[in-house]
Amino acid sequence: NAGVMQNPRHLVRRRGQEARLRCSPMKGHSHVYWYRQLPEEGLKFMVYLQKENIIDESGMPKERFSAEFPKEGPSILRIQQVVRGDSAAYFCASSPNGQGSEKLFFGSGTQLSVL
Amino acid sequence: SQQGEEDPQALSIQEGENATMNCSYKTSINNLQWYRQNSGRGLVHLILIRSNEREKHSGRLRVTLDTSKKSSSLLITASRAADTASYFCATDASGTSYGKLTFGQGTILTVHP
Repeated sequence: NAGVMQNPRHLVRRRGQEARLRCSPMKGHSHVYWYRQLPEEGLKFMVYLQKENIIDESGMPKERFSAEFPKEGPSILRIQQVVRGDSAAYFCASSPNGQGSEKLFFGSGTQLSVL
Repeated sequence: SQQGEEDPQALSIQEGENATMNCSYKTSINNLQWYRQNSGRGLVHLILIRSNEREKHSGRLRVTLDTSKKSSSLLITASRAADTASYFCATDASGTSYGKLTFGQGTILTVHP
């Protein structure tokens, strides 16, 4: 049973380009969370999605960032017109039922570097 | 300052010793979880303690929760070099019914063989 799969593992972009980060949750999980981790800091919640729905995007910047979790395929975190401050590790996590009492299963993350 | 702050920020011990990490938080919570992160990897869940629990054990791990002080501790007994990692506490606030977690900044644990 494969875990949470994220790709790419590393992504390098120049300022102004777009970054697309992909996340396939664990088999049977329909709840996906995206978190961002800056160097030597804890993870910060960005967005929570269920299939085809954004449930909570309170941690995601209003501009340039968007997320989706289509009926078919992986969840995508999209960052348009990247800036140096977007450089961070982006982690996806999934859970089976979306309950606060459940543990989250994390992917290995995508390290985004903006030149 | 943010919810979920760990102390110490870094801890260095010898194999076989016990390691204790503390976490404080600011708002009422439903649950508190501890996660481990190896360098450059994703987080792995260690243990969850509910707000109505005071202590929980899992193997070499012991977690306590004091809701009156809004604090928790993670004890790793008989540490091993393989326990070297960063450890984070994470809380889900009361009133939140899903896994929106607030993480602390973590404790970097180094266990010397």
